[in-house]
Amino acid sequence: TQLLEQSPQFLSIQEGENLTVYCNSSSVFSSLQWYRQEPGEGPVLLVTVVTGGEVKKLKRLTFQFGDARKDSSLHITAAQPGDTGLYLCAGEYNFNKFYFGSGTKLNVKP
Amino acid sequence: GAVVSQHPSRVICKSGTSVKIECRSLDFQATTMFWYRQFPKQSLMLMATSNEGSKATYEQGVEKDKFLINHASLTLSTLTVTSAHPEDSSFYICSATKGKGELFFGEGSRLTVL
Repeated sequence: TQLLEQSPQFLSIQEGENLTVYCNSSSVFSSLQWYRQEPGEGPVLLVTVVTGGEVKKLKRLTFQFGDARKDSSLHITAAQPGDTGLYLCAGEYNFNKFYFGSGTKLNVKP
Repeated sequence: GAVVSQHPSRVICKSGTSVKIECRSLDFQATTMFWYRQFPKQSLMLMATSNEGSKATYEQGVEKDKFLINHASLTLSTLTVTSAHPEDSSFYICSATKGKGELFFGEGSRLTVL
């Protein structure tokens, strides 16, 4: 059972398109992180959001934490082939204990 | 920086043997280390939480006698897969935290049991 559900599970788009990935839970998290993972490697941290309603931007990536700290979204503007990868959200449920979402596999075609 | 290193990165073993994977925090002392398991094209599943000097806390459904975790120091945790079987083949990833809600991941260890 996944504590965090991500949608969509798979996403294949053309270069230049925009996309949004959602991360939802019925649980409240003290913080939430987004990661990107390449095959055969460990996840790489993109951002940490802590405050309900918080919005953070990282170049073409925009991250939002829900007001109730139960959900989050990742929006990518003008996607590029280099954005291809597995995107994972992770919620901090207990102190320092993180549970991962089901993952969204993104493929950006040139 | 915060670097976490795993060793070995790949291991192939025969069914019935035991395999040890090491996770080291190279430039910081990790208050807590976590072990995850990842099947192909799936997300990371938390297996256990490891605190230095105490017994690991296992997630529901994870056999503690099957996956032995030792956290002997603030920079080293080990996962031993005992009497490995083909169904134990997976990508095992550790992470470490400095205690500020940030996780730093190792490169992962791919285990293949023949």
